[in-house]
Amino acid sequence: AQKVTQAQTEISVVEKEDVTLDCVYETRDTTYYLFWYKQPPSGELVFLIRRNSFDEQNEISGRYSWNFQKSTSSFNFTITASQVVDSAVYFCALSVLGNNRLAFGKGNQVVVIP
Amino acid sequence: DAMVIQNPRYQVTQFGKPVTLSCSQTLNHNVMYWYQQKSSQAPKLLFHYYDKDFNNEADTPDNFQSRRPNTSFCFLDIRSPGLGDAAMYLCATSRSGGGAVYNEQFFGPGTRLTVL
Repeated sequence: AQKVTQAQTEISVVEKEDVTLDCVYETRDTTYYLFWYKQPPSGELVFLIRRNSFDEQNEISGRYSWNFQKSTSSFNFTITASQVVDSAVYFCALSVLGNNRLAFGKGNQVVVIP
Repeated sequence: DAMVIQNPRYQVTQFGKPVTLSCSQTLNHNVMYWYQQKSSQAPKLLFHYYDKDFNNEADTPDNFQSRRPNTSFCFLDIRSPGLGDAAMYLCATSRSGGGAVYNEQFFGPGTRLTVL
C-alpha cells in the first residue's frame, strides 16, 4: 500500500518569506509518480507538478521548486518569496504504475500574512 | 480551454432526498473519478470509471452510486443523503493507457453539498 506523510498541518509565514513543505512517501513499487496539488479557498485542486520515480532531477518553476530525494523518500516543495495568493492547502500525492488511485497526504495549510 | 466542469457549484438537499451531482469534461480523458472531501481532510476516492468499467472503493457506502453515459459525462447519485454526507464532492479526470502512464488527475471546481 502507498502512504504519504505531510507532517506540518498549518504553516504561517510573512509575505516574501520562503516556505518549505515536507512530503515523505512509502511504497514498495519501483515505478511510481509523485504529485503536488494546490487547493485555494475556492476548493478546486490545481495540479502543480508530477515527478516520476526514475527522474530525480529537481525542478524550478518560477517561485516554486521541488526537491526529490529517493534516498530519503522525500519530495519537498519550496515557495520562494511567498505572496498572499500562495495561501492555500497543498497536497502531496503518490500513485504507482498500473494503478489510477492517488494516495494523498493530509495537506499543508499555508497562510501568508501580508 | 479544456477543462473539468461541475454543476452545480453549491447544492442544498434535505435529509433523505435523492440528489445528483454532475461532471463533464472536454479533455477527452478516459478515466473519471469522484472524490468526497470533508473539512480539513484530504480528498477520499469514492469510485472511478476506467473507460466504461466501474471501480468502486471497498469502503464507499451503497448510498453512493455513479453513472457514466458517455466519455464526457459522469454523475454522482446520493440515494438518501444523511447529515454525514455534507461535503465537497470533487470530480477528476486522467488519461491512462496507450502509453500514457503519468496518472496526473485534473480536478473540477467541486460541488459543495449541504444536507438540511
